[in-house]
Parts: sequence; structure tokens; C-alpha cells
Amino acid sequence: TQLLEQSPQFLSIQEGENLTVYCNSSSVFSSLQWYRQEPGEGPVLLVTVVTGGEVKKLKRLTFQFGDARKDSSLHITAAQPGDTGLYLCAGAGGTSYGKLTFGQGTILTVHP
Amino acid sequence: DTAVSQTPKYLVTQMGNDKSIKCEQNLGHDTMYWYKQDSKKFLKIMFSYNNKELIINETVPNRFSPKSPDKAHLNLHINSLELGDSAVYFCASSVGYSWEQYFGPGTRLTVT
Repeated sequence: TQLLEQSPQFLSIQEGENLTVYCNSSSVFSSLQWYRQEPGEGPVLLVTVVTGGEVKKLKRLTFQFGDARKDSSLHITAAQPGDTGLYLCAGAGGTSYGKLTFGQGTILTVHP
Repeated sequence: DTAVSQTPKYLVTQMGNDKSIKCEQNLGHDTMYWYKQDSKKFLKIMFSYNNKELIINETVPNRFSPKSPDKAHLNLHINSLELGDSAVYFCASSVGYSWEQYFGPGTRLTVT
């Protein structure tokens, strides 16, 4: 069974600070996705990383896939209150038929 | 235009009742999924259908029965509801077995 450990579970910071969320596993994933979920809504896909060592940037968000494809990180620079939400990592195996394994999520609160 | 829609948004019912949740997507995707998100925000796949064929059937009580009348619709019927069924249920869709999935807004089920 593939498991994804996401940390921290909660993160409360001030506007302008930087933060990093981690997603770790002992299993190798074919790809890893990061989603953001706001209260009362479904998760929204932010990015997919596929290649070991891959780095993708989305404005102030930087996503990295570990060289061994077992871990990933999400770094937010100069966080803003609009970044507040639940961040979820999700991994997919090679023959998963679309089955995603989700991490426990990180609830981020950015205070003005 | 709503890409993935679910009805109802909220469902409050008593133990022992039978209820259904409906999902529709207008993205032209051929794979649809049901996920359950518990009170700790952990998201876990329940079922997936590809072109109306059941592909993923996780360890879910057989009180839960999905049905896909066509590739744009996936419904979830739950018999003999229990307190532990209380959760938010999300429908999602993708192209084939893509890891990039699009989620609906969720149905919050409360069993009293």
C-alpha cells in the first residue's frame, strides 16, 4: 500500500513569510500532484510533476519532485492571505488506473 | 459553466435511510471517480468508472453502489446509512486514467 506523509498538518503564518510543505513516501510514484482546496469546494489541481528532480513554478509557488520520485515539496514565497486553504499532495503509481493516494493535507492560514 | 457538478450539496438524513448522490461532468472526460473526505480532511478513493465500466472498487461496504448510466454521469447510492458514513463525498473526472483529475464541489452527508 502506498502512503504519503504530508507535513506540517497545520501552518499559521503572517503575510509576507515564506513556507514549505513536504510530502514524503517510501514508495516510488509515477507522478505527483498538488491540489488546493478551499472551504466548501472541491480540490483544484495546481501542478503535476512527473520527472525525478523536476521543478515547476506557478507565480509564487515552487513545486519540486524528489530525484527518486518518492517525495515532493511545495514552497510559497511571500505568502498572501489569498493563499489560505488546504493543500493536498497526491501520488499515482504506474498501473494505478488513475487511482490517487492523497496525503493528509496541510491547512495553511495566512494572516494579514 | 460548471465542469463537474454534484447534487445535492448538503444531505442530512437519519440512520437506516437510503440516499443517492448524483454527479455530472461536461468536460467530455471518460473516467469518473468517487472520493470520500473524512472529518480530518483525508481524501480516499472509493470507485472509478471508465466509459461506464467499473475500474476501481476500493474496500468499501457493499451498502455503497455506484452506477454510471453514461460516461458523463456517475451516481452513488448508499443503503442503510450509518453514522460513520458522515463525510464529504467528491466526484471527479479525468481523461482516461489521467492523474490530473477535476473535482466537483462535494456533497456533505450528515447521518444522525
